[in-house]
Amino acid sequence: AQTVTQSQPEMSVQEAETVTLSCTYDTSENNYYLFWYKQPPSRQMILVIRQEAYKQQNATENRFSVNFQKAAKSFSLKISDSQLGDTAMYFCAFMPVMNSGYSTLTFGKGTMLLVSP
Amino acid sequence: GAGVSQSPSNKVTEKGKDVELRCDPISGHTALYWYRQSLGQGLEFLIYFQGNSAPDKSGLPSDRFSAERTGGSVSTLTIQRTQQEDSAVYLCASSSPMAYEQYFGPGTRLTVT
Repeated sequence: AQTVTQSQPEMSVQEAETVTLSCTYDTSENNYYLFWYKQPPSRQMILVIRQEAYKQQNATENRFSVNFQKAAKSFSLKISDSQLGDTAMYFCAFMPVMNSGYSTLTFGKGTMLLVSP
Repeated sequence: GAGVSQSPSNKVTEKGKDVELRCDPISGHTALYWYRQSLGQGLEFLIYFQGNSAPDKSGLPSDRFSAERTGGSVSTLTIQRTQQEDSAVYLCASSSPMAYEQYFGPGTRLTVT
């Protein structure tokens, strides 16, 4: 079984600043994906970024980037130039790669990020 | 294109009643997942359907919960004899063949009184 831990229940940042959200995971799998999802008050879970475990290069998506440390089983999310619209709950999630190509997500408890003017 | 849709958006029901929650996945997505989000338990996997294969029901919390997927598209999650601990947001997600990203619907908030 896999576990995902997000140790920061809440984080605050001012607009235009940079913030980093932490995530660690535990697994015996060697091939897997990691994701960050964002859930604003609208409740819609939005995929922010993904990382394949076999890739050493950290994924980036515009203002969002990750620091993936496979040996340490760490997967942090950095948000640069924070915007008010980034205010949301952020979930880290783990998915093992199966032969069938499908698998389920294991989520952390989430970090509530508040961006203030 | 259209995303994953779920209905109803909100549902209030009395303890002991049965409820049905519906999910319409993204067209062409062959995998469909149900998750439950509650304050105490966070986000939990319930069940998933993969094409025509038998569903993985390993996450269903009790035999009061069941789900079906008709024609490889729309899915219905049924909760029988609802209990107050069933109160949660029920999220549906879908993914395309051999792709790993899951795309979520807006969820159904279920309140059992």
